[in-house]
Amino acid sequence: LAKTTQPISMDSYEGQEVNITCSHNNIATNDYITWYQQFPSQGPRFIIQGYKTKVTNEVASLFIPADRKSSTLSLPRVSLSDTAVYYCLVGARNAGNMLTFGGGTRLMVKP
Amino acid sequence: GAVVSQHPSRVICKSGTSVKIECRSLDFQATTMFWYRQFPKQSLMLMATSNEGSKATYEQGVEKDKFLINHASLTLSTLTVTSAHPEDSSFYICSATIGGSYNEQFFGPGTRLTVL
Repeated sequence: LAKTTQPISMDSYEGQEVNITCSHNNIATNDYITWYQQFPSQGPRFIIQGYKTKVTNEVASLFIPADRKSSTLSLPRVSLSDTAVYYCLVGARNAGNMLTFGGGTRLMVKP
Repeated sequence: GAVVSQHPSRVICKSGTSVKIECRSLDFQATTMFWYRQFPKQSLMLMATSNEGSKATYEQGVEKDKFLINHASLTLSTLTVTSAHPEDSSFYICSATIGGSYNEQFFGPGTRLTVL
């Protein structure tokens, strides 16, 4: 399984755009990249998933360069409620292949 | 969206007792459920994979006789922590997948276990 590396923590202020980068140097051809958000004492929540280039939904964008060895989660105009831990997972899109959570990035949004 | 519930949300028990945690998929049938454990300030660690009607597959280092998993139906999996000890105190989270070629994990809200 491809290992992921993320910054341990990040600080931001309300209204700013936050970009969290995840390195996955040994990503396989069939692997997808998925990001989850976790609030304290809650289960993780799916944010976005992509394979290459750019994916955008109502809450975030995911940028994946051509070599796919990294990916960047972009959160536009963060608010205090975006304070959470963000996890990047890499694996094939079938059950049993995207189960390894790395350390995650603890994002703190300040007023 | 797909909803997964867990019960109880919080449990406190005495050392040596057993505790059962339920994980239910409320609006879909889950072919596979996963159990994770998360210690404070740490990431989620997969404990076992549970398929309906078959024995669970445990990750290395997880004692199958201590953490009993039953997946009796497509909407319910249970994790029983037997003879709990203080070091078993943790946040237990389940997830479920619908099946097919696209298997997003839908996570439950977690269960906080405290063993005194």
